[in-house]
Amino acid sequence: SQQGEEDPQALSIQEGENATMNCSYKTSINNLQWYRQNSGRGLVHLILIRSNEREKHSGRLRVTLDTSKKSSSLLITASRAADTASYFCATDSNYQLIWGAGTKLIIKP
Amino acid sequence: DVKVTQSSRYLVKRTGEKVFLECVQDMDHENMFWYRQDPGLGLRLIYFSYDVKMKEKGDIPEGYSVSREKKERFSLILESASTNQTSMYLCASSSFWGRDDEQFFGPGTRLTVL
Repeated sequence: SQQGEEDPQALSIQEGENATMNCSYKTSINNLQWYRQNSGRGLVHLILIRSNEREKHSGRLRVTLDTSKKSSSLLITASRAADTASYFCATDSNYQLIWGAGTKLIIKP
Repeated sequence: DVKVTQSSRYLVKRTGEKVFLECVQDMDHENMFWYRQDPGLGLRLIYFSYDVKMKEKGDIPEGYSVSREKKERFSLILESASTNQTSMYLCASSSFWGRDDEQFFGPGTRLTVL
């Protein structure tokens, strides 16, 4: 069952701009995670935010979580060509992760 | 460097064939997962395992089975491959004792069933 839904489905921006992706989910969570997938490859964990946290930073990544709205956002600042990838949110449920369909991000040179 | 490896990157099989996809992790993780990924649908869990010889059905187990005889190895079996099983298959592992549920993924196997 799909829990998270990312928005937008696709995003194309110029290199150097900021990229924002959103994720909405349906049930209560312990944590929410963001992953990146480069073209046709496995996923790589980016950042995790717990249900009692509202904001978290890691390098150029900033994640927010609003449990009252059941939503999260991922902000990538000063985008680079290497950020071109698909980004997925996943919410935990008893040691399983429930995934959204992803946002495809394209960074134009 | 931690690693999850999958036996093949690309695989082409015929309808009705029995297909084995193998996954090996070197992190001594208790949990292992098999997902399939299709465009627009994200990742869907097929089966997972908490321990050797243990398995649990995920969201879409029909047409699949799994085997976990050793802690580091988790195999996905398509008993009789069908064209609607053409997909990207991703294996992942995580630590039962980990503080968070971060999953580590293999590179994926793109399976085509003709």
